[in-house]
Amino acid sequence: DSGVTQTPKHLITATGQRVTLRCSPRSGDLSVYWYQQSLDQGLQFLIQYYNGEERAKGNILERFSAQQFPDLHSELNLSSLELGDSALYFCASSSGTGRNGYTFGSGTRLTVV
Amino acid sequence: AQSVTQLDSQVPVFEEAPVELRCNYSSSVSVYLFWYVQYPNQGLQLLLKYLSGSTLVKGINGFEAEFNKSQTSFHLRKPSVHISDTAEYFCAVSANNAGKSTFGDGTTLTVKP
Repeated sequence: DSGVTQTPKHLITATGQRVTLRCSPRSGDLSVYWYQQSLDQGLQFLIQYYNGEERAKGNILERFSAQQFPDLHSELNLSSLELGDSALYFCASSSGTGRNGYTFGSGTRLTVV
Repeated sequence: AQSVTQLDSQVPVFEEAPVELRCNYSSSVSVYLFWYVQYPNQGLQLLLKYLSGSTLVKGINGFEAEFNKSQTSFHLRKPSVHISDTAEYFCAVSANNAGKSTFGDGTTLTVKP
């Protein structure tokens, strides 16, 4: 157990639907990062939150949004889902300074059918 | 901005042979460097990190990496690999105190008996 909890582990949904992925960071970590991993695109950075505020944005589609709540857990919302959104979605957490690297969760495997 | 290039997408080796996975980076500022390992159907796990000081850093599972500032490289090595080292390995760079890491595309290490 890495200390980062992601739920659900697996999700199968239809095109056009909306899903929410949840992440609880390791105790004491203030930063949360979301990544998408697919076979053809590799590990793509989506977005970073630090202590409730958005800090950095990567290749995140407009159909996707995220937030970090006061208790520091984060949610990634994916809407109007397309087949190409099928991927592994990872959450990682860190202290926020970058010195200690990331602690990753085990991921949510999203399958859009 | 930082970038990372992992020079080999796949590295096949025989058990008990030495291995080197190559990583080059570019950055206009001082950086922290990391190697992560991802076993099948799992999240990424931090192997080792370079922050400052000694250019040779040791990590878990017998891996080590050497930071070379003049060549902007951070190659990962292991003197004798095991079947259980079969996994994908990611090199990552983070600008000092920026928090967000940039990942390479990964190198798949396959250890054959």
